[in-house]
Amino acid sequence: GQQLNQSPQSMFIQEGEDVSMNCTSSSIFNTWLWYKQDPGEGPVLLIALYKAGELTSNGRLTAQFGITRKDSFLNISASIPSDVGIYFCAGTDAGNNRKLIWGLGTSLAVNP
Amino acid sequence: DAGITQSPRHKVTETGTPVTLRCHQTENHRYMYWYRQDPGHGLRLIHYSYGVKDTDKGEVSDGYSVSRSKTEDFLLTLESATSSQTSVYFCAISDLGAQRQETQYFGPGTRLLVL
Repeated sequence: GQQLNQSPQSMFIQEGEDVSMNCTSSSIFNTWLWYKQDPGEGPVLLIALYKAGELTSNGRLTAQFGITRKDSFLNISASIPSDVGIYFCAGTDAGNNRKLIWGLGTSLAVNP
Repeated sequence: DAGITQSPRHKVTETGTPVTLRCHQTENHRYMYWYRQDPGHGLRLIHYSYGVKDTDKGEVSDGYSVSRSKTEDFLLTLESATSSQTSVYFCAISDLGAQRQETQYFGPGTRLLVL
């Protein structure tokens, strides 16, 4: 099935640094979602985006729905140790708004 | 947190045995999903349900069946477990919100080991 191109695959940063990750698709998307998964847990929704150009924040997290509707990014400012985990992007394309298409995740490690 | 529970949380079974995983929600959401998560593959949809007794296949449905007799429960059955079905299984729920767009919420997962 179709998958999103999510990058980078992994990141190792120092506490306090800003982080940026992104996802691209080959088709136009109607929804972009960003999830975080901690070890042994299910993905937790961080931010949901529904309109092209939309910029939404959730605390230190900011995500944007790209104008072309084929990409999205997630930024984390002033990283802290509890930001460690795997971040996934997901979305729905025009063909089926009930099934999510997923990226393979960005693994984030934060050095205190 | 969305009210989603999965049982069991961990299971070890032998090849050829039947296994049923349960997902229970208290949110009265219409849609429910079963995913499996494996290294290098991310999350892959097995089956989903869009209402009581209404289900459809996802991208990796072979070897799995589902049933939904009540809004709150969605069962995933491996009729005859194989080692390739060793995975972490997640249930998710959704309902069209104010934006009329898909947003899914996940359960804590079930770790299944097939020996």
